[in-house]
Amino acid sequence: KAGVTQTPRYLIKTRGQQVTLSCSPISGHRSVSWYQQTPGQGLQFLFEYFSETQRNKGNFPGRFSGRQFSNSRSEMNVSTLELGDSALYLCASSAVPGSYNEQFFGPGTRLTVL
Amino acid sequence: AQTVTQSQPEMSVQEAETVTLSCTYDTSESDYYLFWYKQPPSRQMILVIRQEAYKQQNATENRFSVNFQKAAKSFSLKISDSQLGDAAMYFCAYRSIGNSNSGYALNFGKGTSLLVTP
Repeated sequence: KAGVTQTPRYLIKTRGQQVTLSCSPISGHRSVSWYQQTPGQGLQFLFEYFSETQRNKGNFPGRFSGRQFSNSRSEMNVSTLELGDSALYLCASSAVPGSYNEQFFGPGTRLTVL
Repeated sequence: AQTVTQSQPEMSVQEAETVTLSCTYDTSESDYYLFWYKQPPSRQMILVIRQEAYKQQNATENRFSVNFQKAAKSFSLKISDSQLGDAAMYFCAYRSIGNSNSGYALNFGKGTSLLVTP
């Protein structure tokens, strides 16, 4: 099976712009989670989607949003970009249900805000 | 909210030697899962090992093993016979049992950078 794919891999934006990142889960996986990784804050949970519904959200401002499509692909959007949004954005997919519900991570999208 | 603490920002080990990475966590839950993830320079997060809190037996995966002390809320990772390919950031993560409504979010520690020297 192909792993989790994320596009684009690298992105450069300027302050005030908006950006959309895409994540395609492993085939058959229906749950997608997003994490933000920065040197200062480490890995922080953004949100989780299952069957096109957001079922959990981390402590991020409303500028961060996401959605999931019927084929389980997910997008996250950040509006009005700030310098502090520069980070590696990781997507993880998991098969549901499952006691471990292991999350498989994609390679990430490196976002740089200038 | 559960917090995960990795008190060693950096560790170094010689090839073929053994190293232990520390992790402590704070929770009021009795059942949960603990994980160690490896993130090499490629940035791809890879699951190394996992532990269910209700299991007394420490998990083992080849050269990787954990020392799970539930009462002390400690979850250390031991890497035996270290190899150059083990060099990476290692993250300890906590996850509640969760359910279909609350989800399965991972809470990560800040990570430990492991250097392996020849």
